Amino acid sequence: DVKVTQSSRYLVKRTGEKVFLECVQDMDHENMFWYRQDPGLGLRLIYFSYDVKMKEKGDIPEGYSVSREKKERFSLILESASTNQTSMYLCASGPQEMPFYGYTFGSGTRLTVV
Amino acid sequence: AQSVTQLGSHVSVSEGALVLLRCNYSSSVPPYLFWYVQYPNQGLQLLLKYTTGATLVKGINGFEAEFKKSETSFHLTKPSAHMSDAAEYFCAVSLYNFNKFYFGSGTKLNVKP
Repeated sequence: DVKVTQSSRYLVKRTGEKVFLECVQDMDHENMFWYRQDPGLGLRLIYFSYDVKMKEKGDIPEGYSVSREKKERFSLILESASTNQTSMYLCASGPQEMPFYGYTFGSGTRLTVV
Repeated sequence: AQSVTQLGSHVSVSEGALVLLRCNYSSSVPPYLFWYVQYPNQGLQLLLKYTTGATLVKGINGFEAEFKKSETSFHLTKPSAHMSDAAEYFCAVSLYNFNKFYFGSGTKLNVKP
């Protein structure tokens, strides 16, 4: 089975801190994604990447950046954390033929910014 | 643009009753359709998908869904609810030439004893 691993399940950070959320997948997938999930809003796409060193903005990229230096790792960076970034963050990956196969999700990181 | 509408943010059923979770989509071309399930404090898990072929698709845990092109719908059903089905369910759409999914806002299923 494909495994998508997010480095932390729960994280508490202070306002203004730089925060790194790490995601690693072990199936050589080309596509990787970062979503945030908030009650009543469903999943909202922050950033995605089709290949190493490649990134594209999703629907809500403001306040975030990403890094993909290696194919298996996709990092989400909160440059200066704010309380409105308190949320559940979900990483996902998928093969080149992803529209046919679908995503595989990590278990999520619940981030609280105080 | 694509969109996915899930009718009902919360659905409550009794154990043993029929589960029906509704999903409608808008797409100018035939999409691929997915249902994902999320148990508390976990990521999303693929429940079932429709790509081509038979319009009635079966997934894990006794769930199934039917693609109805004329109604642009992909409703999820299960004949008899179990307590372990309590979770949040997300419908998603993708296009064959576009590596991006569009998710509905989710439906939380509560199963009463």
